[in-house]
Formats: sequence, C-alpha cells, structure tokens
Amino acid sequence: KQEVTQIPAALSVPEGENLVLNCSFTDSAIYNLQWFRQDPGKGLTSLLLIQSSQREQTSGRLNASLDKSSGRSTLYIAASQPGDSATYLCAVANQAGTALIFGKGTTLSVSS
Amino acid sequence: EAQVTQNPRYLITVTGKKLTVTCSQNMNHEYMSWYRQDPGLGLRQIYYSMNVEVTDKGDVPEGYKVSRKEKRNFPLILESPSPNQTSLYFCASSLGASTGELFFGEGSRLTVL
Repeated sequence: KQEVTQIPAALSVPEGENLVLNCSFTDSAIYNLQWFRQDPGKGLTSLLLIQSSQREQTSGRLNASLDKSSGRSTLYIAASQPGDSATYLCAVANQAGTALIFGKGTTLSVSS
Repeated sequence: EAQVTQNPRYLITVTGKKLTVTCSQNMNHEYMSWYRQDPGLGLRQIYYSMNVEVTDKGDVPEGYKVSRKEKRNFPLILESPSPNQTSLYFCASSLGASTGELFFGEGSRLTVL
C-alpha cells in the first residue's frame, strides 16, 4: 500500500531564505505527483503537477523535482516571504488512477 | 471562474440526523472525490466517481453514501451521523485522477454531537 511521508513536519525560517521541503513515497509506480498549499481553514490549492515521465516543474519561485526510482520529490521555494506561510502537502496518484494519496504535510512559517 | 463549491461550509448536528453535503463543479470534470481531513491522520479518501453513475469506495467509506446523477454534482450523504464523523470534509474534481490537476472546494466543517 502506497505511503507518503513528508519531512519535516514543521519549519520556521526568516524571510528571504531558500528552503526545501521533502516528500517520499514507498511505491514508485505512480502516475503523477502534486504539491498543494493549504492555508488555515481553507481548501487545498494545487501548486505544481509533475507527470511520472517528468523530472521537474517550475512555477515562479517554486520548483518541484521528482525522482521516481528513489521515491522522492522535493519542493524548492526561493526567496521565501511571509505570504508563503502555510501547510504544504505532497500527493501521489495511486496505481489504479482513482485517488491521490496524501502526506501529512509540512507547516511552514516565514517570519519578517 | 473555475471552482468547486461545497455547502454547507459549517454544520453542527446531532447523532442520527441525516444530512447531505453538496458539491458542484463548473469545469466539466469527469472525476470527483470526497476526502476527510483529521488531525494526525491527514487527508483520507471517502468515495470517488470516475463519471456519471460510476462511484466507488475509497479508504474510509463506512457511514457515508454518494451519488453521481449529473456530471457537475457529487453529494455526500451521512444517513445516520455519529460523533466519529466530526471532521473537515473536502470535495475535489479533475479531468482524471491520474492525469489532471486536482481542484478542491473550500471545505465543510461538520460537528456531530
């Protein structure tokens, strides 16, 4: 059964720092991997979607990489800002293509 | 504007009183799904639908029902709610679970007393 783990569970950084969030999954047979952002009391917003055939995706200050063989993905946030404070969730599409399996998230706090 | 709309956003009810949480999407997506989010357990899938009249169980379907009579709507039904169904519920949709970006509703916070 696919399991998704995110480390660290929480992270606090000063404004301006570059940072990396980690995601690992146990079964490399995935269709895709998505990174989401969740603000307190809000729904999830998709940040980046990486298909299984891709190695990375970029959007603005965000860059996500995927290494299927090692079961890992990283989300790189450049020049962090207080507005980046949120919980970031990683999810992989299961083998049957019927669900996303979510990690429990990394809660990021960026101080000004 | 592309969106997934859930109602109600907040609900307090009592054990055994049937309730329905509605979900509607305006993106003509085939795939829709319900998740619940609990502290320490993360997001877990309740039910999903690959298309109209096609639904199936996720990881935690006990105590829930769904229907998909129209492409845009995917209601979640709690026939006899119990306190262990107190949770934050999310509806989501995409072109396909394995291919497309997943769009989430704002969530419905349910408390069962």
